[in-house]
Amino acid sequence: EAQVTQNPRYLITVTGKKLTVTCSQNMNHEYMSWYRQDPGLGLRQIYYSMNVEVTDKGDVPEGYKVSRKEKRNFPLILESPSPNQTSLYFCASRGQDLSPLHFGNGTRLTVT
Amino acid sequence: GNSVTQMEGPVTLSEEAFLTINCTYTATGYPSLFWYVQYPGEGLQLLLKATKADDKGSNKGFEATYRKETTSFHLEKGSVQVSDSAVYFCALSEAGNTPLVFGKGTRLSVIA
Repeated sequence: EAQVTQNPRYLITVTGKKLTVTCSQNMNHEYMSWYRQDPGLGLRQIYYSMNVEVTDKGDVPEGYKVSRKEKRNFPLILESPSPNQTSLYFCASRGQDLSPLHFGNGTRLTVT
Repeated sequence: GNSVTQMEGPVTLSEEAFLTINCTYTATGYPSLFWYVQYPGEGLQLLLKATKADDKGSNKGFEATYRKETTSFHLEKGSVQVSDSAVYFCALSEAGNTPLVFGKGTRLSVIA
């Protein structure tokens, strides 16, 4: 089954404790992206990647890192999480240009 | 830059009522337009799309027509069901692997 898999689904952590949210897709997609979803703000893009070893900042990259060492994986790294990064995070991928995005089921992160 | 504006929610309708969710866009070129739907606890999934002016996208009884003259892509359904309760996002993308731009989402609740 074609899918985007994020882990974990839920994560509660404390300020400053490094964490990684994993994302993997099995569709051989070149493009991958991370979004955060907050009430009243909709979806905002954090980082995206056009291909292996190519990453670019989205609208809200501060406090986040990503890497794209393999085509299927695109982890999101929070080196020193802060409470304002409490949010619902989505990973997404797509194939060719203008094709629809496929989303994971989300990771709800709470930073205390 | 490109932007999408959709009507504020929440929208509450009775079952079998007619639904319209307004969406207008601003784009520098000739975008493709999308509606995504997010059911509770899930990621977004593509509902329908249109790639050029006057195209009509349709799926699951939902329709939207790409209107270049009014820069709009309003979502409609003739008779909503309780199972249509979700958050709906309008989005646009331009060629050249530009990131997808989302509206803020409209929450629809359908009551029996």
